[in-house]
Amino acid sequence: NAGVTQTPKFQVLKTGQSMTLQCAQDMNHEYMSWYRQDPGMGLRLIHYSVGAGITDQGEVPNGYNVSRSTTEDFPLRLLSAAPSQTSVYFCASSYSAGFEKLFFGSGTQLSVL
Amino acid sequence: TQLLEQSPQFLSIQEGENLTVYCNSSSVFSSLQWYRQEPGEGPVLLVTVVTGGEVKKLKRLTFQFGDARKDSSLHITAAQPGDTGLYLCAGVWGGSNYKLTFGKGTLLTVNP
Repeated sequence: NAGVTQTPKFQVLKTGQSMTLQCAQDMNHEYMSWYRQDPGMGLRLIHYSVGAGITDQGEVPNGYNVSRSTTEDFPLRLLSAAPSQTSVYFCASSYSAGFEKLFFGSGTQLSVL
Repeated sequence: TQLLEQSPQFLSIQEGENLTVYCNSSSVFSSLQWYRQEPGEGPVLLVTVVTGGEVKKLKRLTFQFGDARKDSSLHITAAQPGDTGLYLCAGVWGGSNYKLTFGKGTLLTVNP
């Protein structure tokens, strides 16, 4: 049982570079979301999706894009990385948006220089 | 943006001691969850509470939801080093639709 898989585990970018953080789940969950975790700030919601083709913004969406073409995958795109985006990113999924158990991936540690 | 306040922010205790951590908001929750996160890993759900006054027990952990559904507490009895981690509460408010908001967490260290 893979659960929620995030890649890469670690990434270093230069300011202005773009990249995509990958997230895949094999539990047939409808709801998927992206959080960032910063010291002293807790987990903050970036974007979420309640099903294929449906996405919406969370608390801190600026600088990030998402799409949901399949139930399984929910990639997070940084179009032009900034040092303020240095953080640990977590993808999470649940069966529905009724907030049953959220399953988290193990995170991507991103540094933007 | 709804706010969840967790206290204390840091807690360091000896093995065998009891402790309580708190999660508070000025707004009424629809539901509240508690997670534990270990270094290098994502949070793992411990419990979900929905009804005001609800008490749930998970081995040595006792979770309580306030009668007014604005606050919650987590009590650990006879803490063990394996309880070490970041404890996060997360809430859903009526009308927030699909947005689970997390508190900043309580970092617990249990020393042998």
